Amino acid sequence: AQSVAQPEDQVNVAEGNPLTVKCTYSVSGNPYLFWYVQYPNRGLQFLLKYITGDNLVKGSYGFEAEFNKSQTSFHLKKPSALVSDSALYFCAVPWGTGNNRKLIWGLGTSLAVNP
Amino acid sequence: DVKVTQSSRYLVKRTGEKVFLECVQDMDHENMFWYRQDPGLGLRLIYFSYDVKMKEKGDIPEGYSVSREKKERFSLILESASTNQTSMYLCASSGHLNTEAFFGQGTRLTVV
Repeated sequence: AQSVAQPEDQVNVAEGNPLTVKCTYSVSGNPYLFWYVQYPNRGLQFLLKYITGDNLVKGSYGFEAEFNKSQTSFHLKKPSALVSDSALYFCAVPWGTGNNRKLIWGLGTSLAVNP
Repeated sequence: DVKVTQSSRYLVKRTGEKVFLECVQDMDHENMFWYRQDPGLGLRLIYFSYDVKMKEKGDIPEGYSVSREKKERFSLILESASTNQTSMYLCASSGHLNTEAFFGQGTRLTVV
């Protein structure tokens, strides 16, 4: 079955340090990959996506993600974390055919950036 | 600024009531989605629609129905609300599934 895994429920990092939020996928073919962020009591916001081409994708708020086909991973990264980056992060992959296409979601990773 | 607007941020309803959650998008998107979000369970798809009057069941459609009479509006209906439907409900829209989805601010529904 197609799936997306975020192996860490929570990630803690000190402000100013680099951060990584992990995502691995089990989807056949060449997938599109998305990252979304959810701030407290808000809906989700799109961060970035991988379609094809350069394996390093740059997105909003200084985030980037690295696609690794051999490891089937799409980890989200930021060189220097901010307290305001504290939020819930979701990885997602579109899957399906015809009118039955939908997004497969990871369960989310809660990022806490400590001052 | 593109928008997906959900009619209520917070809602408290009684068990057995019929509940309507409304979602409107202003981006002329074909696809619209209803999710519920619960701690530890991530986002679970309830229903989605790829065109006016069209709907497809998601992963957890039981106890819910939807209506899409106009392209911009997608309604979620709880026919007879139960306490296990207490949750955060998120509406989203996208032009194509391979493009980013836009989410509403969410409706936190409490059924008492």
